[in-house]
Amino acid sequence: DTGVSQDPRHKITKRGQNVTFRCDPISEHNRLYWYRQTLGQGPEFLTYFQNEAQLEKSRLLSDRFSAERPKGSFSTLEIQRTEQGDSAMYLCASSPPVVSRDTEAFFGQGTRLTVV
Amino acid sequence: AQTVTQSQPEMSVQEAETVTLSCTYDTSESNYYLFWYKQPPSRQMILVIRQEAYKQQNATENRFSVNFQKAAKSFSLKISDSQLGDTAMYFCAFMKGRDDKIIFGKGTRLHILP
Repeated sequence: DTGVSQDPRHKITKRGQNVTFRCDPISEHNRLYWYRQTLGQGPEFLTYFQNEAQLEKSRLLSDRFSAERPKGSFSTLEIQRTEQGDSAMYLCASSPPVVSRDTEAFFGQGTRLTVV
Repeated sequence: AQTVTQSQPEMSVQEAETVTLSCTYDTSESNYYLFWYKQPPSRQMILVIRQEAYKQQNATENRFSVNFQKAAKSFSLKISDSQLGDTAMYFCAFMKGRDDKIIFGKGTRLHILP
């Protein structure tokens, strides 16, 4: 088991461009979370999936953000028409099924987005 | 809505000392899960310790222990015999149910001084 994998690790983009990030969760983890973290702050919840179903999306998330998890495996997070305020670390986490003994989420190393 | 509050933005202690990080939360749920996560500089977040609200016994993991006060909605982390490798951001987190999202506090930056 290689842990939660995120790609790319770093992304620099020009304002107005679209970007897409990928997250590969730990195998057999059916829950997948996306968070945004700015410098010195705690992770801010964006959205989460159980299998392929998107269960909740933060009200703070604008319509420029969309996430998918086709087939309940990897997930993508797309940001359209990026703005400088989108610059942050985007964290992905996964957690095992409810029936598992473990309850916590396991985090990836994140994708750092810089919008110039 | 659930909230998690960490009132200490930054703390510093000498190596080998004991330090306690504070966390309070707000919820109307009777059962839930609480976590402390550690995020070392430029490294990924890892779980330090977890507590299930229905368990009265405080969780311990080696040098890490919690003081869970359910009525006061308080969940503090105690690090004994602190080590240089404990230097990190520490986040308190809350999860309402096992199939729910995890909500994080703003974090406490802990410096262990040699």
